[in-house]
Amino acid sequence: GEDVEQSLFLSVREGDSSVINCTYTDSSSTYLYWYKQEPGAGLQLLTYIFSNMDMKQDQRLTVLLNKKDKHLSLRIADTQTGDSAIYFCAATSGTYKYIFGTGTRLKVLA
Amino acid sequence: DSGVTQTPKHLITATGQRVTLRCSPRSGDLSVYWYQQSLDQGLQFLIQYYNGEERAKGNILERFSAQQFPDLHSELNLSSLELGDSALYFCASSPRGGDQPQHFGDGTRLSIL
Repeated sequence: GEDVEQSLFLSVREGDSSVINCTYTDSSSTYLYWYKQEPGAGLQLLTYIFSNMDMKQDQRLTVLLNKKDKHLSLRIADTQTGDSAIYFCAATSGTYKYIFGTGTRLKVLA
Repeated sequence: DSGVTQTPKHLITATGQRVTLRCSPRSGDLSVYWYQQSLDQGLQFLIQYYNGEERAKGNILERFSAQQFPDLHSELNLSSLELGDSALYFCASSPRGGDQPQHFGDGTRLSIL
């Protein structure tokens, strides 16, 4: 079935760039999303990319999509302690469903 | 603030009981989704409604049911509760469903004792 995979943990120093990676299996996914979840909170939509795009930049966030390899990445420039959270990648499956990855826990060290 | 409201924030109940979780979507959104987030299963899609009609089903147990009312709010009913049903339950909404961005509420934390 459809699957989305992410590494579980990432640790970076404040001010460095963070790169969170995601792979997905459904080649028909038309949109791919990144969500952020802080402790005790819901999922906040960070950004998304349409499948016919290679890159999307939104302030400190850059999303790269390699459709051939079904690989998605989220780069956070100048990472701050407030960026510490769990980041979820999600791919659309069919016309109704999101498939979420397991989430990557980002820890930013001061 | 996503604009999606979920109540209650926390629920503590016992095995065998029944609970109802409530969700109000963002203004103008017609589609509502329910998800379950647990430590061992991650974030699982349960069910989607669009303008009052069920549109898609995911990994929803037969003990669970949902509905969307004419004012577009939705309720998720969980019955014959088991310890394993302890989880965070999220509601999300989108304007028309499909693969549009979904906006999530803050969730209801359900604890079964």
